[in-house]
Amino acid sequence: AQKVTQAQTEISVVEKEDVTLDCVYETRDTTYYLFWYKQPPSGELVFLIRRNSFDEQNEISGRYSWNFQKSTSSFNFTITASQVVDSAVYFCALIIPTGGGNKLTFGTGTQLKVEL
Amino acid sequence: NAGVTQTPKFQVLKTGQSMTLQCAQDMNHEYMSWYRQDPGMGLRLIHYSVGAGITDQGEVPNGYNVSRSTTEDFPLRLLSAAPSQTSVYFCASSPWTAGSGNTIYFGEGSWLTVV
Repeated sequence: AQKVTQAQTEISVVEKEDVTLDCVYETRDTTYYLFWYKQPPSGELVFLIRRNSFDEQNEISGRYSWNFQKSTSSFNFTITASQVVDSAVYFCALIIPTGGGNKLTFGTGTQLKVEL
Repeated sequence: NAGVTQTPKFQVLKTGQSMTLQCAQDMNHEYMSWYRQDPGMGLRLIHYSVGAGITDQGEVPNGYNVSRSTTEDFPLRLLSAAPSQTSVYFCASSPWTAGSGNTIYFGEGSWLTVV
């Protein structure tokens, strides 16, 4: 069975600091998809990124960047120059597409607090 | 551009009452699912459906019932509410697989309290 671990329950930083959210996954399948979602205080889930297991290229989108390393089964998320608006719960998730369907396995989430 | 619509957004139930959380999508997606979110546990899959007339259990199905009579709708029924079902519920829909860059769309969530 697959598993996603987000060991950091809560992180507090001061605005403009860089912060990295860790995600470690477990699966025996060679084909899988990894996701990051943001859940702001308003409660909705905001899609941030999807990465398939065959694409190990790191990705940068503005202040956000993702580091995918199959060798360590990690898919870490870095926010550069954090802002108060980044305060949210961030979830890492995994899909194994074998047999079809989109059953997401979520990590327990990391609460990020960005203070002035 | 409705996407995934969940109702109600907030609900308080008494123990033993039944209710239905509604979920509708207008994107003609085959795959729909329900998750519950509890503190410190992330989101866990309750039930899912791969098309009209087909449903299956997820990780935490006990106490919940689903049906999929149309492509658009996937209601979640609580047969006899218990305090342990106090949670935030999310409905999601997507095309059949996560491949080919398909996106999974989530509803805005339903906050349920059972007293």
